[in-house]
Order: sequence, then structure tokens, then C-alpha cells
Amino acid sequence: GNSVTQMEGPVTLSEEAFLTINCTYTATGYPSLFWYVQYPGEGLQLLLKATKADDKGSNKGFEATYRKETTSFHLEKGSVQVSDSAVYFCALSDLLIQGAQKLVFGQGTRLTINP
Amino acid sequence: DAGVTQSPTHLIKTRGQQVTLRCSPKSGHDTVSWYQQALGQGPQFIFQYYEEEERQRGNFPDRFSGHQFPNYSSELNVNALLLGDSALYLCASSPIAGGGEQYFGPGTRLTVT
Repeated sequence: GNSVTQMEGPVTLSEEAFLTINCTYTATGYPSLFWYVQYPGEGLQLLLKATKADDKGSNKGFEATYRKETTSFHLEKGSVQVSDSAVYFCALSDLLIQGAQKLVFGQGTRLTINP
Repeated sequence: DAGVTQSPTHLIKTRGQQVTLRCSPKSGHDTVSWYQQALGQGPQFIFQYYEEEERQRGNFPDRFSGHQFPNYSSELNVNALLLGDSALYLCASSPIAGGGEQYFGPGTRLTVT
């Protein structure tokens, strides 16, 4: 079945450093791809999405590009802040029967930013 | 615009008991999905409801059941609780004609002792 693999964590960076969190996927067809963020004690928030190859999703300084040839959707940010500390999940939408869709998540990457 | 809400926030149950979790979807959304998130893991799909029917189920036993009401709100029921059912249970809503993204509530933290 479809699956998502994220880079192993945890990741610790200093404030203003460049961030990359790797995500690759295995899928039949062309699913939509997402990054979600989870702050301590909270649910998941949609950070950005891309629905087709070469699309770039962006939000709050974060970016990710849907790369069909490498089946990747790496998350990047040019200058991280302490407030970016959270767990980041890469996900794809898996089309089910009758038009339903479920999300398939990676295992998550814990990011800690030190001042 | 109210987002997805869930209740209760936290719950402690004893092994063998039954539990009901509740979810109200985001305004304008008619599809509700439930996920289980074990500690340190990504969420796992339990099932999805649309038009008051279960559309699809993930790899979870029949002890997990649900319901959707005419106002699109939903319940997740778990019978004969096991210690391994301890997790964060997330409800997510989406419009049926959406692009696949789902919007999550804050979750219910279930602890089984």
C-alpha cells in the first residue's frame, strides 16, 4: 500500500539556521501531499500542501515541492525560530473506494530550535 | 469560524471498560475521519464517515465502532478496552469535494489502566 517515510529525528538547530526535513513516499497514482505540524499537547495543523507534480506549497516561511521523479516532498525553511519547535508530519492522501480519502502519515520528525 | 472540536480532552478508563469520544466537524464539512496516534508515532486511520455511514475502515478490530449524526457530528466507541488502546484519538473533518486535506481537532487523550 501507499506509505510515507520521513527522516529520522530528533533534529536540533540553532535559531536562524536553515531547515530541511526529508520526506519520500510510495504511491500508486498521484496523491496530494501534505505537511502537518503538531505542537505539544495539541492536534495536527495543516502547514502546507501540493496537489500535483512540481507544485510548491508554502506557508509561514516553510516550503515543499512535489517531486514526482524522486517521489519526494522535502520541507524547508530558510531561517527557523524558537517558535517552530514542534513535531512535523509528512502525509499523502490515499484514495479509497467511493471517493473517500484517508491520510497516510510518516512517523514524524521532532524539531527543537535553540535560541 | 469554529474549527473541529472534540470531547472530552482527557479520559482515564480501566481495562475491559467501554468509552465514547465525540467530535464536531468544522463548519461546512460533511466528512469525519478518526485516527489513533500512539505516543511518538504518526496517526493511524481508523475509519471515515459520510452521510451517516462508515465509508472505509483501517486495520482496526470490530471493538472500534462509530456513528455519524445528521448534523455531521460523530462518535467513536471502543469496547473491551485494552492497555494498548491508550493513545491520542484525533478527529478530522473535510468537505466531500475537497482536495484531500483534513482538518484536525485537538484530540482526546485516552489512558487505559
